[in-house]
Amino acid sequence: QSVLPQPPSVSAAPGQRVTISCSGSDSNIGNNYVSWYHHLPGTAPKLLIYDNNKRPSGIPDRFSGSKSGTSATLAITGLQTGDEATYFCGMWDSSLNSVVFGAGTRLTVL
Amino acid sequence: QVQLQESGPGLVKPSETLSLTCSVSGSSISDNYYWDWIRQSPGKGLEWIGSLYRGGVTSYYNPSLKSRVTISGDTSNNQFSLKVTSMTAADTAVYYCARRKGATFFFDYWGLGTLVTVSS
Repeated sequence: QSVLPQPPSVSAAPGQRVTISCSGSDSNIGNNYVSWYHHLPGTAPKLLIYDNNKRPSGIPDRFSGSKSGTSATLAITGLQTGDEATYFCGMWDSSLNSVVFGAGTRLTVL
Repeated sequence: QVQLQESGPGLVKPSETLSLTCSVSGSSISDNYYWDWIRQSPGKGLEWIGSLYRGGVTSYYNPSLKSRVTISGDTSNNQFSLKVTSMTAADTAVYYCARRKGATFFFDYWGLGTLVTVSS
């Protein structure tokens, strides 16, 4: 099982900006589209970003995604207490011939 | 509104076969989507198990699990299923079903997940 590194946790105050990174390689992030998800225990994961930087309908523009080389970043601005959750990345890995996911980052809004 | 719901046994004995079903509403499994299974073992990251395309036109599996996994579709009931043979404690996990769009591998709808424990 291949899981991409993400920081285990990040924290910031309400109203501030936070970034969450996802590190990979040419076979995954470097040459494939990245998506980001929001997850609370006991609930269905929710798509936040797809195709590196696109937002599905209904996702506020406080959430943005970017990619540079073999790293991807999710940025959340104007943090709210309701943003507390685990965030993880996902993409195809061309070497493994499998979808791979990030390890997940727990966001705490202080 | 698309909804997916997993169902199946919460407890499986070692060496037995796990059978899970994902019931879909708001979208047809025969539509131009992939229907996937994903799991998360306690304390570990998510692991993609495999997918079914358009209700059964073709299926794709994680190479690391391919020898033990079968995903099939039931278009008449708008459900798709997962079978995993030779279950061990390492297969204890929350199992999710999800809908995936196209070739860029993102999942736009997920189920709540169902916990499967492997224990005698």
